[in-house]
Parts: sequence; structure tokens; C-alpha cells
Amino acid sequence: AQSVAQPEDQVNVAEGNPLTVKCTYSVSGNPYLFWYVQYPNRGLQFLLKYITGDNLVKGSYGFEAEFNKSQTSFHLKKPSALVSDSALYFCAVRDYLSGGGADGLTFGKGTHLIIQP
Amino acid sequence: DTGVSQNPRHKITKRGQNVTFRCDPISEHNRLYWYRQTLGQGPEFLTYFQNEAQLEKSRLLSDRFSAERPKGSFSTLEIQRTEQGDSAMYLCASSGTVYEQYFGPGTRLTVT
Repeated sequence: AQSVAQPEDQVNVAEGNPLTVKCTYSVSGNPYLFWYVQYPNRGLQFLLKYITGDNLVKGSYGFEAEFNKSQTSFHLKKPSALVSDSALYFCAVRDYLSGGGADGLTFGKGTHLIIQP
Repeated sequence: DTGVSQNPRHKITKRGQNVTFRCDPISEHNRLYWYRQTLGQGPEFLTYFQNEAQLEKSRLLSDRFSAERPKGSFSTLEIQRTEQGDSAMYLCASSGTVYEQYFGPGTRLTVT
């Protein structure tokens, strides 16, 4: 079975400072990893994905994430936070080897990111 | 707008009633997913269609839940004999590949 852990319910960062939102995962095979963002009263928006290749992946709105296979982590990062980045962030995983049409993503519980002016 | 759409956006129903939600995926996407999200939790996978075939169903999908995707286009999710525990946000997503899924705005169900 696959699982995702987001150890922080909330992360507070001052505007202009770098931010990190943590995610660790567990899968049987090789992971497909994703970050989504959810704004109030809106659906989930795709930010970025890791499938294969470079461990540092870049996504929307200046976000990036680093895949670390030995630590089974996929932390979300941004060099300089904006107040508008304040939202709920979800990490998700799909096991590459699950096959058989089992394409459903497993999500973490989410991390509230609060950027203070 | 070419995104995933869901209707209705909000539904309030009394316990024991049946409800049906609709999802219209991005037109060229052949994969369609249903998830349920409760307060303070991430989305939980319910079921998955590739074209019109329902290929995966979660254990969360009890016998009271049924989903269809006739002709491989829009999909409906029906809940029969609703219970208060069914109150949640029901999310639909679509994808053209095995990679990222694009989510709709969701249908918020409140069972009184």
C-alpha cells in the first residue's frame, strides 16, 4: 500500500523568505510524485510532478521540489515567498508498479502555508 | 472554459434521500477519477474510469455508491440512501496520461 505523510499541519514564513513544505512517501515500487495547491472554495490546482530524471523539478508560480529517493522525500520549495502563496498544499503519490488501472492518487493530509507580510 | 466542471456545486439533502452529481472532464481526456474530501483531510480516491470502463473501485465506495461514464464522456456519481457520514466534498479529476490529474471545483454535499 502507498502512503504520504506531511508532518506539518501549518508552516509560517515571512514574505520574501524561502519556504519549504515537507512530504515523505511510501510505495512498493517507483513513485510518481505530485504537489497540488488548494485555495479556499476552489479545486485542487496542479503545481508540479516528478516522474523520472532530474531530482529537482520546477513547476508553476516559481515552486520547485526535490526528490530524494534515499530519504523517500519530495519537499516543496520556493526561494522567495509571496503573500499570495498562502494556501493549502497537498503532496500525492502514485505507485508506478501498481498497474492494472490503479491510477488513483494517494494524498497527504495537507499543510497550511501562511505567508506573513 | 476548458477545465473540469462539476454540477451542482452545493447539495443539501435529507438523510435517506438519493443524490446524483455530474462531472464533465476536459474534452480530450480519456481518464476520469472521483475522490472524496472531508474537512482537514486530503482527497481520498473512490473510483477510476478509462473511457467508459470502470477499472478501479476503492473500498471506500460502498454498495450505496455507484458511478457511470456512458460513452466515455461525462460521469455521474450517485449516492443512495444518504447518511450523515456522506457529507463531504466530492471531487472529479480527468487526465489524458498516467501522470497529472486536473481537478474540478467539487460538489459539496451536506446531509441533514
